[in-house]
Amino acid sequence: GAVVSQHPSWVICKSGTSVKIECRSLDFQATTMFWYRQFPKQSLMLMATSNEGSKATYEQGVEKDKFLINHASLTLSTLTVTSAHPEDSSFYICSARRDTGLNTEAFFGQGTRLTVV
Amino acid sequence: AQKITQTQPGMFVQEKEAVTLDCTYDTSDPSYGLFWYKQPSSGEMIFLIYQGSYDQQNATEGRYSLNFQKARKSANLVISASQLGDSAMYFCAMREGKGGSYIPTFGRGTSLIVHP
Repeated sequence: GAVVSQHPSWVICKSGTSVKIECRSLDFQATTMFWYRQFPKQSLMLMATSNEGSKATYEQGVEKDKFLINHASLTLSTLTVTSAHPEDSSFYICSARRDTGLNTEAFFGQGTRLTVV
Repeated sequence: AQKITQTQPGMFVQEKEAVTLDCTYDTSDPSYGLFWYKQPSSGEMIFLIYQGSYDQQNATEGRYSLNFQKARKSANLVISASQLGDSAMYFCAMREGKGGSYIPTFGRGTSLIVHP
């Protein structure tokens, strides 16, 4: 299957600092990527849909000024958590959509565990 | 209303036995796809199996098979010959509409524990 690489796998940062998470599709071009947040023992919550070359579409309740998304190329989307606070600690996971004819598949990155202290 | 319902928060199964993880879905779109993912403790989401709404036969991938009952709107995952490494969270997901609107909706997940 296709490979999506997410970096870093885990990060610890101080309150008030910003953290950037990268999501790369390694062997296919992804015009659309998705960013999810997952709390312990819970399902994935879609935060935003990232489209190459245009502004991201945020889900209701997600602060776009806090979670900055940039999708500058067909293989890279970044999520920046600005002015992080302990309540932002969570598991963040991206997926990249690959269009193959009639089917569309989404492949997931490995996830990033963010701890804000 | 929930689009994907996984009613089993946790399941136990003995090694080498088969286990069924339940998933029901709700959609009015005639074109949709159903997915199952495995999430081990490391956090990565591993794609297991896919079933399209127009597929005539149930999907199978190795030890994984999808029991697709369209009229009941259920898409249960069957794992045969369970292995200790199958212990993980399992998520059922659905995407609605044709390729242009792929945004998967996830269920709450089922925690599977395989014991020796």
